[in-house]
Amino acid sequence: QVQLVQSGAEVKKPGASVKVSCKASGYTFTSYYMHWVRQAPGQGLEWMGIINPSGGSTSYAQKFQGRVTMTRDTSTSTVYMELSSLRSEDTAVYYCARDRRLVVVAANIGFGPFDPWGQGTLVTVSS
Amino acid sequence: SYVLTQPPSVSVAPGQTARITCGGNNIGSKSVHWYQQKPGQAPVLVVYDDSDRPSGIPERFSGSNSGNTATLTISRVEAGDEADYYCQVWDSSSDHPRVFGTGTKVTVL
Repeated sequence: QVQLVQSGAEVKKPGASVKVSCKASGYTFTSYYMHWVRQAPGQGLEWMGIINPSGGSTSYAQKFQGRVTMTRDTSTSTVYMELSSLRSEDTAVYYCARDRRLVVVAANIGFGPFDPWGQGTLVTVSS
Repeated sequence: SYVLTQPPSVSVAPGQTARITCGGNNIGSKSVHWYQQKPGQAPVLVVYDDSDRPSGIPERFSGSNSGNTATLTISRVEAGDEADYYCQVWDSSSDHPRVFGTGTKVTVL
């Protein structure tokens, strides 16, 4: 079955960077886009960006431009999300989530819903 | 940016029907997806493309979308349906193209 397994919780100081991993299994890694979504404590869901695991192209929400970098390693079917210049407001659970549509389909009709999701990685930013 | 508005909370008795609305400008022209999130867990897709259900999601979950309102309907509500529910669309004009609703807490009385 399709599974996304994320790396463990992190505690970082303001100004530092964090890199979260998401290892995919149960499907052809390069055939589906991967998204990153975060959720601050007690708050709603916020989309951060997307990566095409096939070619590595990315698109980021404007809010995170310049601070976020998404990469992938096709040899291990893993995507990464690195967020720099951390501040207390970045304290959140970070999720990877696969796009439900094949890349070739999404290219024609647009992106699909997020399905499935990783289990989440809590990143705490505190001095 | 495109805004999706949901009621903060909905309360429903077991066995009754819960309806969760998601309001947005001309949302009927977009594909709406719905997620269920239980405390401490990752969201789960329960309805996509307005009214389709992923495998494993009970038929009690259904969706509709028209005009300025999309609706997630949960029939014969069970205690296990208590959760937060989020709607989501893709809006190419937004700087956050994947837009989420504000979320609705469903409480089973």
